[in-house]
Amino acid sequence: GQSLEQPSEVTAVEGAIVQINCTYQTSGFYGLSWYQQHDGGAPTFLSYNALDGLEETGRFSSFLSRSDSYGYLLLQELQMKDSASYFCAVRFISSGSARQLTFGSGTQLTVLP
Amino acid sequence: NAGVMQNPRHLVRRRGQEARLRCSPMKGHSHVYWYRQLPEEGLKFMVYLQKENIIDESGMPKERFSAEFPKEGPSILRIQQVVRGDSAAYFCASSPPPLSGANVLTFGAGSRLTVL
Repeated sequence: GQSLEQPSEVTAVEGAIVQINCTYQTSGFYGLSWYQQHDGGAPTFLSYNALDGLEETGRFSSFLSRSDSYGYLLLQELQMKDSASYFCAVRFISSGSARQLTFGSGTQLTVLP
Repeated sequence: NAGVMQNPRHLVRRRGQEARLRCSPMKGHSHVYWYRQLPEEGLKFMVYLQKENIIDESGMPKERFSAEFPKEGPSILRIQQVVRGDSAAYFCASSPPPLSGANVLTFGAGSRLTVL
């Protein structure tokens, strides 16, 4: 089958670094994306890893290892406004679903003062 | 440059009524996706459309749900004879034609359906 697994909750303090993991089971996919959603608002795109390695965008970085079927989102210098849900997502390579994004169940990040 | 516009933002229906949710994609985007989100849960894919064409409806319930994206006007997600289990946030997203890359989706603010 094809699935994405994320921790349901993560808590950290302001200024800290937090890593949100995403493991997947699939025979093939195009790449790993990350989206942020505040309090049921519109999900917004954060990053995309097509290849193995680290992609950095300001305080946020994302990593992918296809050999380990694993990726993560790294948030540095946490701020209160980073409290949100974070979703990993992939486009699986299979007939009928190759063009739509499949999302993980999301990780609720709470940043404490 | 308006983003993805969804309306209504909130909709209340009684059991058995019909719900119609509308979505206008971002300017320049020709592909529309509908997702459903229950409280404290992830985004579940429902349907993917281009103008006048349903590309993938593998996530749509077989009964009571339908979607269209006409040549003119917004995409419509229609739910007939609503039941309490249909209460959820329905998000629309749009994208340019998805090539082999990221296929970045731009989401609307969602329509929150409450069935009494």
